[in-house]
Amino acid sequence: AQTVTQSQPEMSVQEAETVTLSCTYDTSESDYYLFWYKQPPSRQMILVIRQEAYKQQNATENRFSVNFQKAAKSFSLKISDSQLGDAAMYFCAYRSAGGSEKLVFGKGTKLTVNP
Amino acid sequence: KAGVTQTPRYLIKTRGQQVTLSCSPISGHRSVSWYQQTPGQGLQFLFEYFSETQRNKGNFPGRFSGRQFSNSRSEMNVSTLELGDSALYLCASSLVGRGGETQYFGPGTRLLVL
Repeated sequence: AQTVTQSQPEMSVQEAETVTLSCTYDTSESDYYLFWYKQPPSRQMILVIRQEAYKQQNATENRFSVNFQKAAKSFSLKISDSQLGDAAMYFCAYRSAGGSEKLVFGKGTKLTVNP
Repeated sequence: KAGVTQTPRYLIKTRGQQVTLSCSPISGHRSVSWYQQTPGQGLQFLFEYFSETQRNKGNFPGRFSGRQFSNSRSEMNVSTLELGDSALYLCASSLVGRGGETQYFGPGTRLLVL
């Protein structure tokens, strides 16, 4: 079974600074997808960024980028120019490339952005 | 387009009762998944439905069941509620639930079991 580990329960960053959230995963599969989801307080979970395992190029979405190290099974999220609205729980998630939509989530990292 | 909607948003039940939660996916989406979120266990997969068929099931007891209707709306039922069933129940939808499709989450139903 696949597992996802987020070793940082909480992180904080100053507004306009850069922060990196860590995620490692364990799988025996070669084809899969990795995601970072954001869950603001009392608000809906939204997708931040996605990475296909077969792509070597790291995904980027505006201020958000990932460092995907397939051999090391590592998938970190970098947030540049942090904004107050980035404060949220961030979840790393794994999904097999096979026929299931099931997401395996890490425990999450609570990000605080200080003004 | 309207997002994923879940009803009710909040629910209080007592032990031994049963509860039914509803999820309406985004229009055109045929795949619906359910997750349980608790402070202790985090986010755990419950079930996944596509075209009225359960495609996958998580490691939960038989008290947890679900179904999907022809209009893709889904319900989940928990019978004989236990205190440990108190959680935020999230529903997510996607077009067909394949590959790297984005899953869109609803606001959740917060269930409190007393």
